[in-house]
Amino acid sequence: DTGVSQNPRHKITKRGQNVTFRCDPISEHNRLYWYRQTLGQGPEFLTYFQNEAQLEKSRLLSDRFSAERPKGSFSTLEIQRTEQGDSAMYLCASSLAQTGDGYTFGSGTRLTVV
Amino acid sequence: AQSVAQPEDQVNVAEGNPLTVKCTYSVSGNPYLFWYVQYPNRGLQFLLKYITGDNLVKGSYGFEAEFNKSQTSFHLKKPSALVSDSALYFCAVRAQNSGYALNFGKGTSLLVTP
Repeated sequence: DTGVSQNPRHKITKRGQNVTFRCDPISEHNRLYWYRQTLGQGPEFLTYFQNEAQLEKSRLLSDRFSAERPKGSFSTLEIQRTEQGDSAMYLCASSLAQTGDGYTFGSGTRLTVV
Repeated sequence: AQSVAQPEDQVNVAEGNPLTVKCTYSVSGNPYLFWYVQYPNRGLQFLLKYITGDNLVKGSYGFEAEFNKSQTSFHLKKPSALVSDSALYFCAVRAQNSGYALNFGKGTSLLVTP
């Protein structure tokens, strides 16, 4: 297993368009997380899944954002009607369901909205 | 509410000297504490974590961190810095009894000069 994989690495889109990102976690990890990181800031939590169930969502996750994890494997994050403020690095992480587990992060998808 | 403060935006150290990157936290109850490192245009890499037990935690690449409950701190340390340690360092916290989202600090840029 090569770790957490995210695609695409970079995405440039026009304002108002929809975009979708994909995350493939480490295969035996049943927890999957999405974070957003803007320049000069630490990652901010968006949402997390345990298997296919979305168990927690941040208030940052507006109704333009939706995340899915069908079958409890890969996950997608969709942003509808993108805005310039959505420009950021979107990070995916996965972990095992153990007390105090650390995350393994992917390299991220950098979104630029023009 | 959970939060992390990294009071220094940048730390400069000469190669071979000891380094310290500071982190203080606020959390209800007992914390899980983490340090991650980020290289340019990359995701975050796990360095070490404090769950319970010994207050001195040893991690990857010769880094260690000391948990101090009375000062609510979790400073990252290394006895002898390398130029290759130059990167962005993030401290993160979550409460043991509250969700799985990590709260990250803003990050500290470490520059090790030859």
